Amino acid sequence: EDQVTQSPEALRLQEGESSSLNCSYTVSGLRGLFWYRQDPGKGPEFLFTLYSAGEEKEKERLKATLTKKESFLHITAPKPEDSATYLCAVQARNTDKLIFGTGTRLQVFP
Amino acid sequence: DTEVTQTPKHLVMGMTNKKSLKCEQHMGHRAMYWYKQKAKKPPELMFVYSYEKLSINESVPSRFSPECPNSSLLNLHLHALQPEDSALYLCASSEGTAWNYGYTFGSGTRLTVV
Repeated sequence: EDQVTQSPEALRLQEGESSSLNCSYTVSGLRGLFWYRQDPGKGPEFLFTLYSAGEEKEKERLKATLTKKESFLHITAPKPEDSATYLCAVQARNTDKLIFGTGTRLQVFP
Repeated sequence: DTEVTQTPKHLVMGMTNKKSLKCEQHMGHRAMYWYKQKAKKPPELMFVYSYEKLSINESVPSRFSPECPNSSLLNLHLHALQPEDSALYLCASSEGTAWNYGYTFGSGTRLTVV
């Protein structure tokens, strides 16, 4: 069964304190792994798609990496406006479904 | 236009009411989706439309009825809902289900069933 597990569930960081979020997955043939940011009461906002092991993508203070079993979202020198829930999702081959993890709630304090 | 627009943003309905949620996109995306999200939970897929045809129904109760009148519009008709159906209903679109591009989500409709 295709599964996505994210850790930690919640993370509190001081502004400027870098850290990483983890997304472990099992899927029968990966089509793509997606990272989204979600603010309370809003829809998820697309951040990255990763397609194959070894791939990396960056956007401002965020960097996503992918291995055959997991993905990391690295946050460098975070700011309070980075506070949100970060969702990881995978799509298997031959399916139209995105399977989401339960997310990591990130809080960044000044 | 790079947005998915959902209306209304908030909806309160009684268990005997009939209401509809609307979703619109003008990005030329050929796949559209309905997701349901409960508080502090990930989005759960309900329906997928590909080229205006229903391709996935995740065993959703018949009190939820999707409709795709054209490639830009997606509706979700609601009838005889239960209080446990209260949730954030998210619409999303993508260039096509055969492609692994990121989905674009709308801001959602916050539904409360009383």
